[in-house]
Amino acid sequence: QQPVQSPQAVILREGEDAVINCSSSKALYSVHWYRQKHGEAPVFLMILLKGGEQMRHEKISASFNEKKQQSSLYLTASQLSYSGTYFCGTEEAGGTSYGKLTFGQGTILTVHP
Amino acid sequence: GAVVSQHPSRVICKSGTSVKIECRSLDFQATTMFWYRQFPKQSLMLMATSNEGSKATYEQGVEKDKFLINHASLTLSTLTVTSAHPEDSSFYICSVEGVTGELFFGEGSRLTVL
Repeated sequence: QQPVQSPQAVILREGEDAVINCSSSKALYSVHWYRQKHGEAPVFLMILLKGGEQMRHEKISASFNEKKQQSSLYLTASQLSYSGTYFCGTEEAGGTSYGKLTFGQGTILTVHP
Repeated sequence: GAVVSQHPSRVICKSGTSVKIECRSLDFQATTMFWYRQFPKQSLMLMATSNEGSKATYEQGVEKDKFLINHASLTLSTLTVTSAHPEDSSFYICSVEGVTGELFFGEGSRLTVL
């Protein structure tokens, strides 16, 4: 079952912050975050494994609450280059296919000057 | 540089013809590759897991006779869309799993069936 992302779209001005959430109905082993620009393939941002850890990639960080089966992506002091569609991808705990991800529906982030 | 190379990036074909898409892992050997399909403004949907030297594993609802996958070597997987129809028009993307679990995606292949 597909994880649910919220919000569906975010519009920011440069320098503002945003949070994107990803929620699953299933127990998770890991959560991935990817960014996709229009007409291009997704690009990996970070992976979070169960354990409630936080990760950081430049001014983008993420957290994973395995008990709540939720992850959040935090974009701080947004830049124009952050614009794109953000997808979370979840890997189920105890899954039979290693590396198999189910992606959320995506969150469209637009950063204006 | 690119970790995964996909070819062709765009293809237009007539209804009823077959189209082959290649996915190459450039940096490391990949016993497993993943094929996704993405319709406009939608998410990535896993179609199948390509396994080197054995049959691919297809997701529920994906016709294995229509979407033929061959993973003959540790660096190459191919997806053939047989007897393509307009509803098969989509963005097809392959991916390879890195050593720390992240997915590296190919550039994607945009298929348009007329």
